[in-house]
Formats: sequence, C-alpha cells, structure tokens
Amino acid sequence: GNSVTQMEGPVTLSEEAFLTINCTYTATGYPSLFWYVQYPGEGLQLLLKATKADDKGSNKGFEATYRKETTSFHLEKGSVQVSDSAVYFCALFPGGTSYGKLTFGQGTILTVHP
Amino acid sequence: KAGVTQTPRYLIKTRGQQVTLSCSPISGHRSVSWYQQTPGQGLQFLFEYFSETQRNKGNFPGRFSGRQFSNSRSEMNVSTLELGDSALYLCASSLVQAAYNEQFFGPGTRLTVL
Repeated sequence: GNSVTQMEGPVTLSEEAFLTINCTYTATGYPSLFWYVQYPGEGLQLLLKATKADDKGSNKGFEATYRKETTSFHLEKGSVQVSDSAVYFCALFPGGTSYGKLTFGQGTILTVHP
Repeated sequence: KAGVTQTPRYLIKTRGQQVTLSCSPISGHRSVSWYQQTPGQGLQFLFEYFSETQRNKGNFPGRFSGRQFSNSRSEMNVSTLELGDSALYLCASSLVQAAYNEQFFGPGTRLTVL
C-alpha cells in the first residue's frame, strides 16, 4: 500500500537556521506530493505541492523537490523564523480512484527559538 | 472567498452517545473528505463524497458514517461513541477531481468522549 515516512521530531532550531525535514514515500505509479502545515489549534494549510517527478514546489521560502529515483520529497528553508513553529506533514495522493484519500506522514514538530 | 467551515468547533459527549459534525466546503467545491487526527494514529482518511455519493472509504467501523447534500455541505455521524473516538475531525474540500487532488482543510471539530 501507500505510505509516507517523515523524519522523527521534534526539531528545534534557532532563528535564521537552515531547515530540512526529510520525507520518503512508498507508492505505485506516479503520486502527487504535498507538504501541509498545522499551527496550534488550527486545521491544515497547504504549504506546497509537486505533481510529477523533478517538479519543485515552493512557497513562503520553503522548497521541496519531487525525487522519484529516491522516492523523496524533503522540505527545506534557508532561514527559519519564530513564526514557522508548527507541525509539518508530508502527504501523497496516488491518483486514479483514490478519491479524496491523502496519505499522511506522522508529522514533524518544528520549534524555532529567537 | 470563505474557507471551509466546520461546526461545532468543540464537542463533549459521553460513551454510548452519538454525534453529528457538519462541514461547509469552499463555494464551488463539490468534493468533501473527512479525516480523523489523533496523537497515536495521526491523520487517517475516513471517507470522501462527491455529488452526494460516497466514492471512497477508509478503514473505520460502520459506526462512522457520512452524507453529502445537494449544496455540497457534508455531515459525518458517529454512533455509540467510544473513548477512542476522541479526536480532531477535519473536513477538506477540493474543486474538482483534479489529478493531484489539492485539498483545503477546515479548522476541525475537537470531539472529547468521556
């Protein structure tokens, strides 16, 4: 079946540090890949997406590249801010008749200190 | 444009009771998906509705059910509540059955079962 594995957290960084959150997936075919972010007490917000191999998704300084050869979609940001503190979820959508069904990783808690 | 809205935001019930949660999708979105989020199991897909039809269902017991109305609003129902049903229930809507299924999430309903 389909699955997503994220690096274990929590991750604690100082402001302006470089961020990497690893994500690898298992899926048949050509899934679409997403990063979602969840702030305390809120639902999930789509951060970025990539729909085919070698696509790079980017938003608000975050980037992730769809690597089919390594089945990875690692999230990166060059300089984090305190306001980036949140839980980050990697997810995939396999396509076809998997209507509405996103498969999520377990989430990575990020805390950024001033 | 208004986002996905969910009511109520918080709910406290006792074991054995039943509960109904409501979700209003973004205007024009016809696909609605439901997810359960718990600390132990993470985000798990419950079901998806499109044009009042359930097209996909996750691995949950029959106590979990849902429906969608002609205006795309959706409800989910949990009967005979158990302590383990305590969770954040998230609703997501999407515009069309896009190949990559970009979903927009509501803030969730926090259900506590005592």
